[in-house]
Amino acid sequence: SQELEQSPQSLIVQEGKNLTINCTSSKTLYGLYWYKQKYGEGLIFLMMLQKGGEEKSHEKITAKLDEKKQQSSLHITASQPSHAGIYLCGADIGGSNYKLTFGKGTLLTVNP
Amino acid sequence: EAQVTQNPRYLITVTGKKLTVTCSQNMNHEYMSWYRQDPGLGLRQIYYSMNVEVTDKGDVPEGYKVSRKEKRNFPLILESPSPNQTSLYFCASSRTAGGRRETQYFGPGTRLLVL
Repeated sequence: SQELEQSPQSLIVQEGKNLTINCTSSKTLYGLYWYKQKYGEGLIFLMMLQKGGEEKSHEKITAKLDEKKQQSSLHITASQPSHAGIYLCGADIGGSNYKLTFGKGTLLTVNP
Repeated sequence: EAQVTQNPRYLITVTGKKLTVTCSQNMNHEYMSWYRQDPGLGLRQIYYSMNVEVTDKGDVPEGYKVSRKEKRNFPLILESPSPNQTSLYFCASSRTAGGRRETQYFGPGTRLLVL
């Protein structure tokens, strides 16, 4: 089974709408990373969360890590076409710092 | 500009013909890693290196080799490529602090097709 589950797999929203992407594990997440990828291109680092209850924001994107450190959410406010792409969560699971485990990604389409 | 570079960006080859994908970073990072990305399977780690001359297997190391002779370079070697190694490959690097890896920064990717 997948150690890091992302939902939804894909999402289509109208420009200006808010949206949330979730990343869940049955194990403790010791470091949770959000990346954005344009199709077939490299990963762009967005944010990193470490502490339970931590929340970070950059422009219109907010990421949170729950108190139990098993779930993270990425929220985009007033989405724009430039937000379109694949959002990936990656995490250090179970204390291992050598390997970054990734979810399968969420494909976001923003219609103008 | 701080970056991770990969070469080539695109490669078409035939089964059994040895190839090397180079990865270089200019950030003096200790940690480097290779991933492959496949539809429906996501990103999976192939090999990683905590420092020069220190490498270890990730989740899918079969059919690949790596070496870390210099801090800035971490080439990925496919001794005898097979069609199931057709994929999008990413190199990444990060600093380490207290023996722990920090945020990884990714290269632009190498798209490999093995016929």
